[in-house]
Amino acid sequence: NAGVTQTPKFQVLKTGQSMTLQCAQDMNHEYMSWYRQDPGMGLRLIHYSVGAGITDQGEVPNGYNVSRSTTEDFPLRLLSAAPSQTSVYFCASRSLSGRGTTTDTQYFGPGTRLTVL
Amino acid sequence: LAKTTQPISMDSYEGQEVNITCSHNNIATNDYITWYQQFPSQGPRFIIQGYKTKVTNEVASLFIPADRKSSTLSLPRVSLSDTAVYYCLVGALSGGYQKVTFGTGTKLQVIP
Repeated sequence: NAGVTQTPKFQVLKTGQSMTLQCAQDMNHEYMSWYRQDPGMGLRLIHYSVGAGITDQGEVPNGYNVSRSTTEDFPLRLLSAAPSQTSVYFCASRSLSGRGTTTDTQYFGPGTRLTVL
Repeated sequence: LAKTTQPISMDSYEGQEVNITCSHNNIATNDYITWYQQFPSQGPRFIIQGYKTKVTNEVASLFIPADRKSSTLSLPRVSLSDTAVYYCLVGALSGGYQKVTFGTGTKLQVIP
């Protein structure tokens, strides 16, 4: 298993540009999520999904869109990039069938470092 | 979700046992306590999870008192490679979906 993969690893955008951060998992997990991490801070939840066709907002959803057309993929779209969106973005997944057990854990991807100029 | 409070940073010498305490006064009945470890430029990695009393795995131990308003992550005999940020999370993992939020974590620096 590759686990959770993210592309690209690094990206530089100009203000106003749009782009999509890709996230894929091969563990057949129902739950997927996107976080952003700013320097010296913890992770903040942007959006999450509990299955194909079902998404919901997290703590900081403004400026980001998501969709979930398959179990494996959960792309994050920046419609019009702003310098405030400069951050490291992490995608994560977990199995909902394990919820309420001691094996309920999220698996994180390696992250995408985004700079908006 | 229950709010958690952890020390911002801790220093420890190699070979010592490190205990990191997390406060979660408004923990709910269905909430589990989960700890993650994050190295620089990497995503967080699951360490340990528990509901009550003590849980031990090959990496760490988790102590949870009877009132569950706090928990302590114990790392035995730390090495330089244990230098990382440690996050305590509290949330309901059963029934429905879960919005998981991380606090700022505890930055552990292991000193030679």
